[in-house]
Amino acid sequence: KAGVTQTPRYLIKTRGQQVTLSCSPISGHRSVSWYQQTPGQGLQFLFEYFSETQRNKGNFPGRFSGRQFSNSRSEMNVSTLELGDSALYLCASSLGGRGTDTQYFGPGTRLTVL
Amino acid sequence: GQNIDQPTEMTATEGAIVQINCTYQTSGFNGLFWYQQHAGEAPTFLSYNVLDGLEEKGRFSSFLSRSKGYSYLLLKELQMKDSASYLCAIVYSSASKIIFGSGTRLSIRP
Repeated sequence: KAGVTQTPRYLIKTRGQQVTLSCSPISGHRSVSWYQQTPGQGLQFLFEYFSETQRNKGNFPGRFSGRQFSNSRSEMNVSTLELGDSALYLCASSLGGRGTDTQYFGPGTRLTVL
Repeated sequence: GQNIDQPTEMTATEGAIVQINCTYQTSGFNGLFWYQQHAGEAPTFLSYNVLDGLEEKGRFSSFLSRSKGYSYLLLKELQMKDSASYLCAIVYSSASKIIFGSGTRLSIRP
């Protein structure tokens, strides 16, 4: 069974631009969660989608948004990029979306904002 | 509260045993995950504890005490490939939201 895939793997943008990241979960998984990972802050929860609905949200500004499609694929969008948005963005999928389900992480998208 | 505390860095010797602690202050606790993350790679699942006690999986074991808000990951017969960050993560009972600790960077020396 294929794992979680994320595209693109690397991205360089400039301040003020917007970016869209994509995540394809493991087949059969209906929950997708997004995380931001930086050396200083560790792994920070952004939001979680289940059956095309945002079920949980972390403490990030409204510039960060996402959506999930009927095939469970998810996209994350960041508008008006800031230097501090440079980070590794990880998505994780799980089977039924209960908190106790194991999350499987994708390889991440490394975003650099110049 | 949602504070999760782990040591930032630890060093151990190949072949030895190391214990990585995690303490948490949270209401609605419903379970605790341990993940391993090698540099430049995604986190991978190691263990999940929801009941008190020790769960053993080969060289890795994870312990949980719900009343004390305490868990540890025990790594035996350390190998160089065990050099990685180890992340403790708490699950809330009312949602699928998971809070990760900052991780413990473990370095193994020959």
